[in-house]
Amino acid sequence: GENVEQHPSTLSVQEGDSAVIKCTYSDSASNYFPWYKQELGKRPQLIIDIRSNVGEKKDQRIAVTLNKTAKHFSLHITETQPEDSAVYFCAAADTGRRALTFGSGTRLQVQP
Amino acid sequence: EAQVTQNPRYLITVTGKKLTVTCSQNMNHEYMSWYRQDPGLGLRQIYYSMNVEVTDKGDVPEGYKVSRKEKRNFPLILESPSPNQTSLYFCASRISGVGGELFFGEGSRLTVL
Repeated sequence: GENVEQHPSTLSVQEGDSAVIKCTYSDSASNYFPWYKQELGKRPQLIIDIRSNVGEKKDQRIAVTLNKTAKHFSLHITETQPEDSAVYFCAAADTGRRALTFGSGTRLQVQP
Repeated sequence: EAQVTQNPRYLITVTGKKLTVTCSQNMNHEYMSWYRQDPGLGLRQIYYSMNVEVTDKGDVPEGYKVSRKEKRNFPLILESPSPNQTSLYFCASRISGVGGELFFGEGSRLTVL
């Protein structure tokens, strides 16, 4: 089955700086890569996703890049704000298994 | 309001006492799934269902059962809970298939003594 590794496990940045979270996946059949944000005590919520036919996708201050050859994808947050503080999960979907496998999460703290 | 509703939100029980965590969605979604969240391990899938009467094992199905008799409901059953099932559980649904947003419930924190 799919295995998703996520790094770093914790990340602390100053407000206004950029943050990058990286994930690698094992199954070359995976073709859907979402990112979820989980604020403290809340449920995970989708913030951005990318499919394998696209190399990069942006939505305001967040962007995701995908390198299918190397089997890794990354989340980029620019001009970070305190409300970006949360746990971020990457995930990869194996179409054949119809299952979504999550990474172990990155706790991002944005220092004001 | 579109939502996924789980009950109970908090539960403390003892080893071996059967329990059911209910999950209901009002969005007419075909796909439903259960995850458990443990520190450092992320969200691990327990079971999922592509549609009524269609269920399949996720990555950590041992000790759990599910059923999908109606489209809106997907209960998680722990026949004989053990302390290693102490966790935060999330039910989630999406319209169908693989891609697309997964809508999560608020979570159910279970403690097994």
